[in-house]
Amino acid sequence: NAGVTQTPKFQVLKTGQSMTLQCAQDMNHEYMSWYRQDPGMGLRLIHYSVGAGITDQGEVPNGYNVSRSTTEDFPLRLLSAAPSQTSVYFCASSYIHNNEQFFGPGTRLTVL
Amino acid sequence: AQSVTQPDIHITVSEGASLELRCNYSYGATPYLFWYVQSPGQGLQLLLKYFSGDTLVQGIKGFEAEFKRSQSSFNLRKPSVHWSDAAEYFCAVGEGGGADGLTFGKGTHLIIQP
Repeated sequence: NAGVTQTPKFQVLKTGQSMTLQCAQDMNHEYMSWYRQDPGMGLRLIHYSVGAGITDQGEVPNGYNVSRSTTEDFPLRLLSAAPSQTSVYFCASSYIHNNEQFFGPGTRLTVL
Repeated sequence: AQSVTQPDIHITVSEGASLELRCNYSYGATPYLFWYVQSPGQGLQLLLKYFSGDTLVQGIKGFEAEFKRSQSSFNLRKPSVHWSDAAEYFCAVGEGGGADGLTFGKGTHLIIQP
């Protein structure tokens, strides 16, 4: 099993550009989520999904969109990047019944 | 709303000494509790978890944690640290069967002195 995979590992954007961070898992987990990690802030939940076709907002959803067309994939879209979105982004997945999150390796995003 | 407090931003421990990292949580129902470790430039790895039952749980790499409901705490311990334990440690709380993900503390940075 590859677990949770994320691409790209690093990305630099200019303000106003858009991009999609990819996330995939091969553990047949129902639940997938995106977190951002900022220094001294821990991890904060952006969006989550409890299954294909179902998404919802977390603690810090503004500026981000998600979709879940398959169980395996959960891409995160930045519509118009801002410097405040400079962060490390982690995708995670779990079975709904136990909330034990498995994390991907992260994407380090810089917005200039 | 649920919350997690890790009171120590940094902790320095000598190699071979014992370690305790503190975690206090606020949660309305019976919590599911987790400790994760993050090495520099890496993702998060699960050290251990508490769902129910025995309040002393064993994890990987020789770590253990004790759930104390009366103190709303879930402190992480290791009897003898190794230089490779230097990392960032995160405590997290969530609910089983819930869709709200995990709420994380802000982390404790562990430094190991030779």
